[in-house]
Formats: sequence, C-alpha cells, structure tokens
Amino acid sequence: DAGITQSPRHKVTETGTPVTLRCHQTENHRYMYWYRQDPGHGLRLIHYSYGVKDTDKGEVSDGYSVSRSKTEDFLLTLESATSSQTSVYFCAIRPEHYGYTFGSGTRLTVV
Amino acid sequence: AQSVTQPDIHITVSEGASLELRCNYSYGATPYLFWYVQSPGQGLQLLLKYFSGDTLVQGIKGFEAEFKRSQSSFNLRKPSVHWSDAAEYFCAVGGPSGTYKYIFGTGTRLKVLA
Repeated sequence: DAGITQSPRHKVTETGTPVTLRCHQTENHRYMYWYRQDPGHGLRLIHYSYGVKDTDKGEVSDGYSVSRSKTEDFLLTLESATSSQTSVYFCAIRPEHYGYTFGSGTRLTVV
Repeated sequence: AQSVTQPDIHITVSEGASLELRCNYSYGATPYLFWYVQSPGQGLQLLLKYFSGDTLVQGIKGFEAEFKRSQSSFNLRKPSVHWSDAAEYFCAVGGPSGTYKYIFGTGTRLKVLA
C-alpha cells in the first residue's frame, strides 16, 4: 500500500480525557494532513504539516493540537475530548502526483 | 471563498446504466480537481485528478471526468455501472499553492440496483 498507517483504528474515550491519534508514513513525504469526516460535512481539515515542527491550522482546529517531531509521524491530540469530537479521523500524505493518499482512518467515540 | 458543492446527496442507478455525479467548485485560480471513492468502513481512494491540459481525464475503474471552466464543474461519469461501484464519492478542489490544502465536498452516496 501507500505506506501510511493510523493508530488506533478504533477508540472509545470519556469526555474530558486527552486523546492522541497517530499517523505514520514510511515514504518521507513533506506534507501531512489531519481531516475529520462527519455525515453531511464531508472531510474538513483540522491541521496540516509542511515539515518537521512546521504545522498550521485548518478550518476546524479548535480543541485540537498537533505535533511533528519526525518526518514520519504526525500526531493529533484532543486536549480534553468532547462529544462533538466523535468522528472518523483521516490522515493524509501528498505524494508527488499531487493527490492525497489517505490512511484507513480512526473511529473515535467520546462518551 | 473556496468551496465545493456536490448537489446530490444520494443517487440510485441500475446496474449497467450510465452514471454522472455532479461537482461544482469555487476557486480563485486554476484549480486542481479530484474525485475520490470511499467504500463502507474504508479510507478514500483517488479515482482521478485534473491539473492542466486535456479537460477530459480518465481514471481507474472505468471512470472519467470533464473539467468545464465556464461552468466551474468537474462531473464524474461512467458509461456502465457495476454493483461494486456502490460507495460514497467525494469531489475535492485545491491549487498549486505551497500547502496543497484541498477542500472536499460533502459527498454523494451511490446505490446500485441489481
């Protein structure tokens, strides 16, 4: 496959707890992205990275933070999970053909 | 503002029939355009892309799309639908900027009748 993996695949967490989702790539791509997918909203960009320690906000970044200390790993953290953050989270990389390659997603449920 | 509109939330077609999924975009410059497909419980797979040149682009699985600048559209077509095409389809737009952030439509769910 394209060399992008997300972990965990599923997670249930309680309101108010911190949660970290991991995206790992094996292809040394510079650009990485975190999207959330919700019914009726399609995919919305949370944060993205254009290099190690270089990150920026997307359209729905409130309540989320990211870190990229190595090229291969892009972490998404929910500092204090809320029910509105129940969603499916996708990580993407941008290979040179300019289309994204997506991971398999993480289904997060906040109870 | 940049945006993507997929006017049809659901579409149902019979197997063997032709298919057209609509996508309209708003973008200030020459866009990059994409169609992705998502099967239930799966990630998104790139079907085809348009960057420049020939406005009719061919993709995988027998799909094609036509870029019409005058109509700000990038509709996806397939001449004969197979039952395995049942999935959700997303149109996306972006540009040749340094960050390559892409905006996605809300998706069209395709149902195929046997």
